[in-house]
Amino acid sequence: DAKTTQPPSMDCAEGRAANLPCNHSTISGNEYVYWYRQIHSQGPQYIIHGLKNNETNEMASLIITEDRKSSTLILPHATLRDTAVYYCIVRVDPSISGTYKYIFGTGTRLKVLA
Amino acid sequence: NAGVTQTPKFRVLKTGQSMTLLCAQDMNHEYMYWYRQDPGMGLRLIHYSVGEGTTAKGEVPDGYNVSRLKKQNFLLGLESAAPSQTSVYFCASHARGVTGELFFGEGSRLTVL
Repeated sequence: DAKTTQPPSMDCAEGRAANLPCNHSTISGNEYVYWYRQIHSQGPQYIIHGLKNNETNEMASLIITEDRKSSTLILPHATLRDTAVYYCIVRVDPSISGTYKYIFGTGTRLKVLA
Repeated sequence: NAGVTQTPKFRVLKTGQSMTLLCAQDMNHEYMYWYRQDPGMGLRLIHYSVGEGTTAKGEVPDGYNVSRLKKQNFLLGLESAAPSQTSVYFCASHARGVTGELFFGEGSRLTVL
C-alpha cells in the first residue's frame, strides 16, 4: 500500500497562500491522491483529489509532480477558519484490496495566524 | 439531505459491556466504512462494506463486529468493551465509481472505563 509523508505542523499568515507538501513515493499508477481536512474533532471534510494532472476547485489547488511521487495542496488565501489538520491520502485500487482503501497518515496541523 | 449520521455521539461504557454504533446514510451509497481515531493519530480502518449484506475486515478489526442488513445502515458492535477501545469512531460512505468522494459522519466518542 502506498503511504504518505507530511510535515507534522505548519504556520501560515492570514491572507497568504498555504502550501502543504506531501510525499507518496510508492504510489502506483492507478492510485489517486486525495486531500481531506479535519477541524477540531469533526468528521474529515473532502477538499480535492487528482490522479496525474493539476486540479483546482473553489477550495484549493492540487499540484502533482510529473513522476507522481509528491504533491502540494495550495490554499490560495488562507483564513483563520482554515486552521485544521490536513490529510494527504492515497486511495488504493479495489482490485488490490477488495475495496477503495483510503490510507490516512497523521496529517499536517496547519495554523493560520492573524 | 442529512448525509451520514452517527448515533450515539457520546457514550461511556464499563469494561465488558456491549454496545452498537449506528451509521445511517441517505445518499444511496454502496460503500461504507468504520474508522477509529486515537489522539494524535490518523484514521484507521476497522471494517468496511461494499454493498448490502457484505462486510469485510480492515486494518484493526479485532474486538469489533459489523452488519449491513440494509443498504443505508452500517452497524458497528463491541461485544465486550475494553479500555483500549476508547476512541472516536467515524463512519464514512461513498458511491460506486472511480473517483467517489468519501463522506464522513461527525463521529462517536466512546470511553471505556
